[in-house]
Amino acid sequence: KQEVTQIPAALSVPEGENLVLNCSFTDSAIYNLQWFRQDPGKGLTSLLLIQSSQREQTSGRLNASLDKSSGRSTLYIAASQPGDSATYLCAVRWLSNTGKLIFGQGTTLQVKP
Amino acid sequence: GAGVSQSPRYKVAKRGQDVALRCDPISGHVSLFWYQQALGQGPEFLTYFQNEAQLDKSGLPSDRFFAERPEGSVSTLKIQRTQQEDSAVYLCASSLGQGVGDTEAFFGQGTRLTVV
Repeated sequence: KQEVTQIPAALSVPEGENLVLNCSFTDSAIYNLQWFRQDPGKGLTSLLLIQSSQREQTSGRLNASLDKSSGRSTLYIAASQPGDSATYLCAVRWLSNTGKLIFGQGTTLQVKP
Repeated sequence: GAGVSQSPRYKVAKRGQDVALRCDPISGHVSLFWYQQALGQGPEFLTYFQNEAQLDKSGLPSDRFFAERPEGSVSTLKIQRTQQEDSAVYLCASSLGQGVGDTEAFFGQGTRLTVV
C-alpha cells in the first residue's frame, strides 16, 4: 500500500532556529514529491516540487531533499520566523496512479518569538 | 483566473440535505482533483478529471458522492443525503498537464462543510 508518513506531528521551536521536517514514503517508484504549507482555515500553498530525478530543490530559506532509495524527503527551514508557523504537508505522486497526490498527516510547526 | 476558486467557503447542512460544492480551476488547466480533509488530518483523494473525463473516482466514500465537470472547466462535487461523517473541508486542485505528466498541483481555499 502506498503511504506517506510525517514525523513529528507537532514541533515548537524558538525564532531563529534551523529545523528539519521529515517525510517518509513506501514504494520508491515515485513520479514526484510536493511540499505544501497550510495555514489554519486556509487551503494549501505549494512550497516545493521535487521530480524523481532530482535530489533537492531550494526556494529562499527552504530546501527540500529527496532520497528515493530510502523513501525519505526532508524539508529544511533556515532561520525560522514566527510567520513560518503553519502545518507542513508532504505529498507523493506515484508512477502507478493517475497523478493524484497521497498526503502525509502533516507537521504543525510553531515558531515562538 | 488567478487561482483555484471554490464556493461556498462555508456550508452548514442539516443531516439528510443535499449539497453542491463548486470548483473553478485555473484557466487552461487540464487536470482537476477533489480531496477531503478531516480535522487534523492530511487531505485524502476523492476523484480526478482530465478535461471532462472522470478518470479516477476510487476515493469517493459512497454512492452519495458524485462529481462532474461537464465542459472540462468548472467542477461540482455533490453530496446527497449528507451525514455527520461528511463534515470536513473539501479541497479542489488543478494542474496544467495530463495524468502522470502533470506539473505541480495548485489548491483552492476549500469549502468547510458542517453537517448538523
